[in-house]
Amino acid sequence: GENVEQHPSTLSVQEGDSAVIKCTYSDSASNYFPWYKQELGKRPQLIIDIRSNVGEKKDQRIAVTLNKTAKHFSLHITETQPEDSAVYFCAASKGGYQKVTFGTGTKLQVIP
Amino acid sequence: GAVVSQHPSRVICKSGTSVKIECRSLDFQATTMFWYRQFPKKSLMLMATSNEGSKATYEQGVEKDKFLINHASLTLSTLTVTSAHPEDSSFYICSAYLAGGPPDTQYFGPGTRLTVL
Repeated sequence: GENVEQHPSTLSVQEGDSAVIKCTYSDSASNYFPWYKQELGKRPQLIIDIRSNVGEKKDQRIAVTLNKTAKHFSLHITETQPEDSAVYFCAASKGGYQKVTFGTGTKLQVIP
Repeated sequence: GAVVSQHPSRVICKSGTSVKIECRSLDFQATTMFWYRQFPKKSLMLMATSNEGSKATYEQGVEKDKFLINHASLTLSTLTVTSAHPEDSSFYICSAYLAGGPPDTQYFGPGTRLTVL
């Protein structure tokens, strides 16, 4: 089955700096890659996603890049703010209504 | 927007008892629902895929006789943790796809915190 690895496990940045989280996946059939933000004790919230026919996607301060050949994708957050502090999960699926495999998570701390 | 609820939000039970957790899609029909468990500071691990009217598909390593899943209607799936033990204490989250809706869009429930004493 699919295996998604995520790095780093923790990340501390100064407010205003950028944060980058990287993931790799194992199943070449995966074609949908969402990113979730989860606050303590809450449900995951989708923040951005990318499909395999696209190399990059941006939404305001958040961007995601995908390298299908290397099977890795990354989340970039620019101009970080304290409210960005949370745990971020990458994930992969074969799309449609298929199951989603989550990465191991990155705890992001933005220091004011 | 599509809303998924879970009940209860928190439950504390004694070791050896069974606990039922409900996952409901409030304003849409969900042919497929998923159950995850999440240990503290860990990732969401898929336990099973629940399809309305059929048996659940369990992930490798998940005991189907211990974690009973029933998806009896298009809006309700239940997870029963049988003979719960302290190691079953976890955060259980369900999710659902909107039947006939946009693919890839999962709606997550708020989670249920289970503590087994």
